[in-house]
Amino acid sequence: DVKVTQSSRYLVKRTGEKVFLECVQDMDHENMFWYRQDPGLGLRLIYFSYDVKMKEKGDIPEGYSVSREKKERFSLILESASTNQTSMYLCASSLEQLSGNTIYFGEGSWLTVV
Amino acid sequence: SQKIEQNSEALNIQEGKTATLTCNYTNYSPAYLQWYRQDPGRGPVFLLLIRENEKEKRKERLKVTFDTTLKQSLFHITASQPADSATYLCALADNYGQNFVFGPGTRLSVLP
Repeated sequence: DVKVTQSSRYLVKRTGEKVFLECVQDMDHENMFWYRQDPGLGLRLIYFSYDVKMKEKGDIPEGYSVSREKKERFSLILESASTNQTSMYLCASSLEQLSGNTIYFGEGSWLTVV
Repeated sequence: SQKIEQNSEALNIQEGKTATLTCNYTNYSPAYLQWYRQDPGRGPVFLLLIRENEKEKRKERLKVTFDTTLKQSLFHITASQPADSATYLCALADNYGQNFVFGPGTRLSVLP
């Protein structure tokens, strides 16, 4: 069974803290994504990566960075957490999209910044 | 500008009826379109994919249509059950084929 695992399900962090959200996939997928999901705004792409050490900005990259040192692992970093980054964060992976492959999501990480 | 819209934020139907959800897009030329189900507090789960050269796709009680002229996909759940209650998202690849873009979702409630 395919699996995308997010390291933390629930986190509470203080404003200004550095936050790491980790994601691991076991499907040998090339592409990995980080989304955030907020009520009324839907899923918004933060960053994606199509290969090791490669990254591309999505729609809302400000305040975030990412790291992909190994194919199976994609980390989202909040350099200095702010309250407007309180959200549900979803990691996903897929094979190369042009062939119509599906995207697999993790269970989500609920981050609260106080 | 590019946009994906789903017909309504919430849809209530009676158990046993057919639920029909709509996904409309503008300024995209997707080679395929996908539908996902999301339960509260969980990540979306893939349901169906339909390609631009396919008019209709079925899987058990689910049916998806894709009209590239109207730029619309319809998602049907026949003989709906309370367990079908969830948010349903449509998604398509952007024009570069690198990213998935998701619609805002429709929250379906099937009433017993």
